[in-house]
Amino acid sequence: DTGVSQNPRHKITKRGQNVTFRCDPISEHNRLYWYRQTLGQGPEFLTYFQNEAQLEKSRLLSDRFSAERPKGSFSTLEIQRTEQGDSAMYLCASSPLSAFGELFFGSGTQLSVL
Amino acid sequence: DQQVKQNSPSLSVQEGRISILNCDYTNSMFDYFLWYKKYPAEGPTFLISISSIKDKNEDGRFTVFLNKSAKHLSLHIVPSQPGDSAVYFCATASSGGSYIPTFGRGTSLIVHP
Repeated sequence: DTGVSQNPRHKITKRGQNVTFRCDPISEHNRLYWYRQTLGQGPEFLTYFQNEAQLEKSRLLSDRFSAERPKGSFSTLEIQRTEQGDSAMYLCASSPLSAFGELFFGSGTQLSVL
Repeated sequence: DQQVKQNSPSLSVQEGRISILNCDYTNSMFDYFLWYKKYPAEGPTFLISISSIKDKNEDGRFTVFLNKSAKHLSLHIVPSQPGDSAVYFCATASSGGSYIPTFGRGTSLIVHP
């Protein structure tokens, strides 16, 4: 399977704990995106990488959130001091440089903060 | 303030009939428009797109129409099949925004056999 892979699929944590999610994009894709989706809403953009460079971050992204993409391959998204409002589906997507918005999404990581 | 609006949270259609999903956008700078489909427990899947220089794009049973003056696009599915039951997201992108798509809230389509 050469699709976008996200781990873990589900994460339950207590408020105040740190969590980290991993995304493995389609290998030949230069661009990698993180989105967040809550119930009844569409995916909301968080951040975007081109190769290893983080080129854009949403103004809505709290400083408790940090993302990395070392060596331009897999990416991690860390949330520090989680809050109940962080409960959401975190989606990773990748695309080639030539894309005009056509992204390939993973199945997401469902985060529940108790 | 939502830049991409899907005002119908749900739509129910009989198998074989046409499904029409609508989307409105506010920013005239958008130059690429996309539809994604999402099944439960899966990520969204790209379905069809259209650039601002066109007013129609067709792919099999799926056709997207763009009305730039009204800032409106629609997705037509003909004929609708039960397997089309999913949430459909409208998305917009622009060259000034690195073609990072902005999504609407989605419309849940149910196609009854």
